Amino acid sequence: DAKTTQPTSMDCAEGRAANLPCNHSTISGNEYVYWYRQIHSQGPQYIIHGLKNNETNEMASLIITEDRKSSTLILPHATLRDTAVYYCIAFSGSARQLTFGSGTQLTVLP
Amino acid sequence: NAGVTQTPKFRVLKTGQSMTLLCAQDMNHEYMYWYRQDPGMGLRLIHYSVGEGTTAKGEVPDGYNVSRLKKQNFLLGLESAAPSQTSVYFCASIWGGSGNHEQYFGPGTRLTVT
Repeated sequence: DAKTTQPTSMDCAEGRAANLPCNHSTISGNEYVYWYRQIHSQGPQYIIHGLKNNETNEMASLIITEDRKSSTLILPHATLRDTAVYYCIAFSGSARQLTFGSGTQLTVLP
Repeated sequence: NAGVTQTPKFRVLKTGQSMTLLCAQDMNHEYMYWYRQDPGMGLRLIHYSVGEGTTAKGEVPDGYNVSRLKKQNFLLGLESAAPSQTSVYFCASIWGGSGNHEQYFGPGTRLTVT
């Protein structure tokens, strides 16, 4: 799986959009970009994934650049409950081994 | 549908003792994973399995053994526990077919080795 790079930490004001970047410059054609988050000591929670096109679900939007070397997770209206560590992962089912990086600690401020 | 469950939720061991952590999933998933997470750190992959009867090493396999005798269960064993194995252990599973590879996580097992 391609290595991903994320900022260590970010702050966001409550009610504003949180934009979390991820660099995956070595991503291969069959690797999807997945985003997870981990709130406190709970098990990680799936947020969204995409291959080439931008994706949106009830939790977030995922914007993938045309060259697929980077992506941005957008939480449109951040709340205090969105404070968590966010992980960006490049993964293809054929690779099977799925590893997590260090993630970004997002703190939503009141 | 319980998803991914882990047994036990908490455990305290003395150095040198052994134990087995059980992960069970009822989603008919092919792939299963064991991670450990130390305080303030990210998840590190210990071992994983891509199907019944198969296992493979991850990033930090030393001191652990695993078995996948049944598709729904993935066991993690510590033969001789050490204080360095104090951690939170997470199990996860993936369907394994083409397309969506969303990983489902269990609630974690908090292990302390004294």
